[in-house]
Amino acid sequence: KAGVTQTPRYLIKTRGQQVTLSCSPISGHRSVSWYQQTPGQGLQFLFEYFSETQRNKGNFPGRFSGRQFSNSRSEMNVSTLELGDSALYLCASSFSSFSGNTIYFGEGSWLTVV
Amino acid sequence: ILNVEQSPQSLHVQEGDSTNFTCSFPSSNFYALHWYRWETAKSPEALFVMTLNGDEKKKGRISATLNTKEGYSYLYIKGSQPEDSATYLCAPDNTDKLIFGTGTRLQVFP
Repeated sequence: KAGVTQTPRYLIKTRGQQVTLSCSPISGHRSVSWYQQTPGQGLQFLFEYFSETQRNKGNFPGRFSGRQFSNSRSEMNVSTLELGDSALYLCASSFSSFSGNTIYFGEGSWLTVV
Repeated sequence: ILNVEQSPQSLHVQEGDSTNFTCSFPSSNFYALHWYRWETAKSPEALFVMTLNGDEKKKGRISATLNTKEGYSYLYIKGSQPEDSATYLCAPDNTDKLIFGTGTRLQVFP
């Protein structure tokens, strides 16, 4: 079956713009989480959605937001982009909440802010 | 805040060598420990999810152990091959989110 799909794979934005990234989870998975990877940093947790509800949020400013649709697809949005937002954004899905469930990652969206 | 430490940060071994890495994490509020292999230009690949103290899991030449009481997990690779070259990440699952370590970068030379 198809894996976690993220679009777009690569994009370049200008400071001050906003960006929306999309994630389609594995069919049947209801939990979607987002992570940010910047050079020298580990994967940083952004937020997790389950059945259209945000259940957990990491330590990121309010410019970072997300949502989940009834078909479990998720989007994350970053407004008023800053240079430091340049990163790889990974989406992951699992059947239910964490706590022992295998979590599957997409290939990520590379965002460059200039 | 959960502090996850992985050591060593990087490792270079010859093909055929066996190797191991360590993941240390606070033992309180523990639910599960995930290990991932992340090759360049690919998505992180799930290796193991471990939940019980004393758990041992194996997948081919790779195995892992878990000690939840003292807060550590070991990942072992037996007879390393060049295709094992990747970054190995561990992530304890604490209150419904994964907290990743910065990983151990393994390079296996032929």
